[in-house]
Amino acid sequence: DAKTTQPPSMDCAEGRAANLPCNHSTISGNEYVYWYRQIHSQGPQYIIHGLKNNETNEMASLIITEDRKSSTLILPHATLRDTAVYYCIVRVTGGYQKVTFGTGTKLQVIP
Amino acid sequence: EAQVTQNPRYLITVTGKKLTVTCSQNMNHEYMSWYRQDPGLGLRQIYYSMNVEVTDKGDVPEGYKVSRKEKRNFPLILESPSPNQTSLYFCASSQSGPPGEQFFGPGTRLTVL
Repeated sequence: DAKTTQPPSMDCAEGRAANLPCNHSTISGNEYVYWYRQIHSQGPQYIIHGLKNNETNEMASLIITEDRKSSTLILPHATLRDTAVYYCIVRVTGGYQKVTFGTGTKLQVIP
Repeated sequence: EAQVTQNPRYLITVTGKKLTVTCSQNMNHEYMSWYRQDPGLGLRQIYYSMNVEVTDKGDVPEGYKVSRKEKRNFPLILESPSPNQTSLYFCASSQSGPPGEQFFGPGTRLTVL
């Protein structure tokens, strides 16, 4: 699996967009970028994934650079409930392989 | 309701006393996995399974065993627990094809005295 690098923490004002970066410079051509978040000590929750096109769902948007070496998760209007640890991972979609989560980014949404 | 269940949710035990943490999923997923989470270390994969009777080591397999005799179940076995296995454990499952996102259980908090 390609390794990912994320900043350890970020703050965001409530109602503003939260932009969480992830570096995955060694990503392979068949590996997708997945984002998860973990609130307190609950089980991580899937947010979104993408290969090379930008993706959007009801929770967030995912922007992947053209060279696929980095991506940004965007929470368009952050709320206090978005305070969590966000993990970026890369893997073959549904692939049978080891998965490396790393330590993620602790996002603090400030009132 | 699609879900991954783990039991027990909390467990306090003593060094050397064998224990099993069960994991079950009702989504007919092929891929199942165990992670441990420790402060400052994020989520680390212990073992994963691609299907019945097919398992492989993750990043931190020492001191753990797993088995996959049925597709829906993937128990984690600690034959001789030690204090350094005190941790929060998560089980997860995903389908083999796209989109392939993992569904996580609620976690098992294990304390080994």
